[in-house]
Amino acid sequence: DQQVKQNSPSLSVQEGRISILNCDYTNSMFDYFLWYKKYPAEGPTFLISISSIKDKNEDGRFTVFLNKSAKHLSLHIVPSQPGDSAVYFCAASPNRDDKIIFGKGTRLHILP
Amino acid sequence: DTEVTQTPKHLVMGMTNKKSLKCEQHMGHRAMYWYKQKAKKPPELMFVYSYEKLSINESVPSRFSPECPNSSLLNLHLHALQPEDSALYLCASSQAGTTSYNEQFFGPGTRLTVL
Repeated sequence: DQQVKQNSPSLSVQEGRISILNCDYTNSMFDYFLWYKKYPAEGPTFLISISSIKDKNEDGRFTVFLNKSAKHLSLHIVPSQPGDSAVYFCAASPNRDDKIIFGKGTRLHILP
Repeated sequence: DTEVTQTPKHLVMGMTNKKSLKCEQHMGHRAMYWYKQKAKKPPELMFVYSYEKLSINESVPSRFSPECPNSSLLNLHLHALQPEDSALYLCASSQAGTTSYNEQFFGPGTRLTVL
């Protein structure tokens, strides 16, 4: 049973436009959410996070939005750049546990 | 130093071999993790060490044996692996304890091939 779901396996966005990656979760005990970016043959790189007491967190071109009632979060990248082409994993952590649970990832392609 | 390093980068081993994967961090993190990642799949948690003690074992077969010699090092000892164990093995670290959130920092991984 998938607790963290990324329903879009891939997404293509024109360079300079906004990329929106979506993530849904089922476990109401999750109170911390993270986004990771992964290039081929490399480990995941931490991008941005948000705790359940907030609904938005912004860091440069990256903004994460959390809708707790809908159990939904999204990552916005604006403007999208060629180097943003990668797989993006949504992850969630219950109650500051040591364990985080990953979604299956969304492959983002930034088109020239 | 904000890096997690892993050696070797690539490893090819036979089913009767014994080998070890190594992971090191000098960020003062007291939680360290081993993940396994197959192609086009998310990382799957294998083990968690918290303050050098094994805190989570996700029902991993005994042919994988983790070891945490000190707060900076994490090893994964491999013995009698199967071809289906071929994967990218990722190490990660984070601050530990209930007062900190779990931003895990990953190493580049070891690409393991079992023949």
